[in-house]
Amino acid sequence: QSALTQPASVSGSPGQSITISCTGTSSDVGGYNYVSWYQQDPGKAPKLMIYDVSNRPSGVSNRFSGSKSGNTASLTISGLQAEDEADYYCSSYTSSSTWVFGGGTKLTVL
Amino acid sequence: EVQLVESGGGLVQPGGSLRLSCAASGFTFSSYSMHWVRQAPGKGLEWVSYISSSSSTIYYADSVKGRFTISRDNAKNSLYLQMNSLRAEDTAVYYCARKISSGPTLDYWGQGTLVTVSS
Repeated sequence: QSALTQPASVSGSPGQSITISCTGTSSDVGGYNYVSWYQQDPGKAPKLMIYDVSNRPSGVSNRFSGSKSGNTASLTISGLQAEDEADYYCSSYTSSSTWVFGGGTKLTVL
Repeated sequence: EVQLVESGGGLVQPGGSLRLSCAASGFTFSSYSMHWVRQAPGKGLEWVSYISSSSSTIYYADSVKGRFTISRDNAKNSLYLQMNSLRAEDTAVYYCARKISSGPTLDYWGQGTLVTVSS
């Protein structure tokens, strides 16, 4: 099972919006509405930010949103804040009854 | 409050074995499926294994199939990962994570335990 494809890094200035893409195949991202996004600070455990493509868990800011088109899912962060600087990972359930993660994207807030 | 606390990591020689544990609290452990996910130093997340709430369904990543065994003890609110025939490429922080009750999402994660495979 190959990892989902994410850009290695993205950056933006405070107040701006950024989008992180996550590309898979019809066997994972494209085949199910089970894409999740995680935020990870250095040395910390991942934190769930988006699940089932576009749902936000309780307590997650509405500045975070998710979407999907075909085999590519996207995470958008609007009104960028310094505290958003972290690594972000997408994940999908697969047709093999396994789970696959993206390679991760480092978000830098300029 | 949901808490997951991993333990059992350490330094082991190639070919050796190690057993990881994950102690769960703050929720009805026996009602939730669980996962192990690992992260090599400086690398991304890699899914390792899944076990259903009753242990009736188990899945493994190809990279660990035949070498790792996931199990759980619902009476002790504990999840385990028996790792045999360890290789250098198994070096990673190992996280246990809970699967959300509806759907395949992993919602809560522990802080992880570091496994280093080296001679």
